[in-house]
Amino acid sequence: ILNVEQSPQSLHVQEGDSTNFTCSFPSSNFYALHWYRWETAKSPKALFVMTLNGDEKKKGRISATLNTKEGYSYLYIKGSQPEDSATYLCAFQTGANNLFFGTGTRLTVIP
Amino acid sequence: DSGVTQTPKHLITATGQRVTLRCSPRSGDLSVYWYQQSLDQGLQFLIQYYNGEERAKGNILERFSAQQFPDLHSELNLSSLELGDSALYFCASSARTVNEKLFFGSGTQLSVL
Repeated sequence: ILNVEQSPQSLHVQEGDSTNFTCSFPSSNFYALHWYRWETAKSPKALFVMTLNGDEKKKGRISATLNTKEGYSYLYIKGSQPEDSATYLCAFQTGANNLFFGTGTRLTVIP
Repeated sequence: DSGVTQTPKHLITATGQRVTLRCSPRSGDLSVYWYQQSLDQGLQFLIQYYNGEERAKGNILERFSAQQFPDLHSELNLSSLELGDSALYFCASSARTVNEKLFFGSGTQLSVL
């Protein structure tokens, strides 16, 4: 079982603030790094899948970067809105199949 | 709606019993994953199937088993249930296996009393 660590565990920000979280993963046997957004009482939804060192992905106000050599990925949210409140999960894909999730960063955006 | 259907949504049973959770993947998806989420735990990977064949095993107990049928739906069988098996069980599907985003069902909440 691989160790995928996310920090911080939880975060409260004011509406309009920009924020970022970290996902750390093993730097060997890398296939892909996934980010998911999980709202309360719903199921996780994919944000990004990144495969190459240096990858940057963007979707609206949310973006992510990837460093496979040092084993980390950052997720950024610009100008946080209350609807961004959710748990953000990263998942490390190793080999062709296994996908291991971190415990997530719970974001609360205060209006 | 992710297109992944899980049934039942809720299941309450007693210790020692056996239950079956069912998952229908998105149309066209060949790969099915099962995850368990307990209180204060992240999503724990249990098992993955691709086009009917087991592809990867995670932290799945011997009391648990799964299969994927020719129509690509999958079932997770949990037997000799213990209190600690109470959890939210998610099924997810993807088109293939490598580097594909997962689409999650809404989960089955299992309560073992």
